[in-house]
Amino acid sequence: DAKTTQPDSMESTEGETVHLPCSHATISGNEYIYWYRQVPLQGPEYVTHGLQQNTTNSMAFLAIASDRKSSTLILTHVSLRDAAVYHCILRGITGNTRKLIFGLGTTLQVQP
Amino acid sequence: GPKVLQIPSHQIIDMGQMVTLNCDPVSNHLYFYWYKQILGQQMEFLVNFYNGKVMEKSKLFKDQFSVERPDGSYFTLKIQPTALEDSAVYFCASSRDWENTGQLYFGEGSKLTVL
Repeated sequence: DAKTTQPDSMESTEGETVHLPCSHATISGNEYIYWYRQVPLQGPEYVTHGLQQNTTNSMAFLAIASDRKSSTLILTHVSLRDAAVYHCILRGITGNTRKLIFGLGTTLQVQP
Repeated sequence: GPKVLQIPSHQIIDMGQMVTLNCDPVSNHLYFYWYKQILGQQMEFLVNFYNGKVMEKSKLFKDQFSVERPDGSYFTLKIQPTALEDSAVYFCASSRDWENTGQLYFGEGSKLTVL
């Protein structure tokens, strides 16, 4: 999987909107952008994914740059439960590999 | 949503003993995974399994490690013999497919402490 770059940590306050950036300058055409989050002492949880178009679901909005070299996960009205490590991962659909490779992600701290 | 169950949640054993970690994946899922995470560190891929066979394994998947899913029951990770450096939380995951962007569902983890 191609490499992604994320800030180590970000801080927010309850009720705010948070923008979590991810850079993936070497993304290839068949790679999807996946976001997972992990709360301490729990397994990772799927957040969202996209290929080219912006996507939205109950958890987040994913904005993908037109050149696909970067993306931003947008969390609105964050609560304390959103405090987690957020992972941006590239996943190829074709090819021989069938695994997700996790990095260190972005640790999101949410203050009351 | 779909749940992946892991048993036990925590196990303490002496170095050199054998341990089996059990995973009950989401029904009708076809791909199975084990990951290892040491406290404070990133999650590391160990192995994936499909159609009764190991597909890929990392260098962390030592010869002492083995996986199987006999008769469609639990997906297991066996370590024999265990070493001190095997102490970690082991996460199981499953997915229905890969090509159709099927997401991975993770369990809550099995914490292994080797003394």
